[in-house]
Amino acid sequence: AQSVAQPEDQVNVAEGNPLTVKCTYSVSGNPYLFWYVQYPNRGLQFLLKYITGDNLVKGSYGFEAEFNKSQTSFHLKKPSALVSDSALYFCAVRDGAGRRALTFGSGTRLQVQP
Amino acid sequence: GAVVSQHPSWVICKSGTSVKIECRSLDFQATTMFWYRQFPKQSLMLMATSNEGSKATYEQGVEKDKFLINHASLTLSTLTVTSAHPEDSSFYICSARDRGLSTNSPLHFGNGTRLTVT
Repeated sequence: AQSVAQPEDQVNVAEGNPLTVKCTYSVSGNPYLFWYVQYPNRGLQFLLKYITGDNLVKGSYGFEAEFNKSQTSFHLKKPSALVSDSALYFCAVRDGAGRRALTFGSGTRLQVQP
Repeated sequence: GAVVSQHPSWVICKSGTSVKIECRSLDFQATTMFWYRQFPKQSLMLMATSNEGSKATYEQGVEKDKFLINHASLTLSTLTVTSAHPEDSSFYICSARDRGLSTNSPLHFGNGTRLTVT
């Protein structure tokens, strides 16, 4: 079975400061990892993914994520937060050897204060 | 970019009635679409995988007779909530993958449908 854990319900950061949203995963095969963002009453927007290759993945809107195999983590980062980054962020995993559907974490609400 | 259109965006219905939600891929074809359900302040729970031209695959605990899924074409999947009850009130989101891209490509999501059953 595949699973994702996002240990923080909410992350608060001041505008201009770096932000990190944590994610750890569990899969039986090779992990395919994704980050999505959700704005109120909307669907999910894709930010970035890790399939293979460089452990540091760059995505949309200045976000990046670092894949750490030994720690089974895929934390989302951004060097300088914007108020407009405030939203709900979901980490998701797919077992490369298994099912095609994504399994999502519980979500982390990012609040960027001006 | 790839667009998934979900309709309606919100619906209010009376208990006992049925509601149909449509999910369309506007500029790509999708042999597979996924239906998720999201409770307030919670994550997305996969309900079923919709396969074009064949029966949907339901997740454990999801009643297939209550949540009817039809994927009649490469651009349209529908979810019908039959005999809706207040506990079916939720946010339903569909997603699809462009069949012309690898299975590693990201899913594209609709904007969701907020269902309220009174």
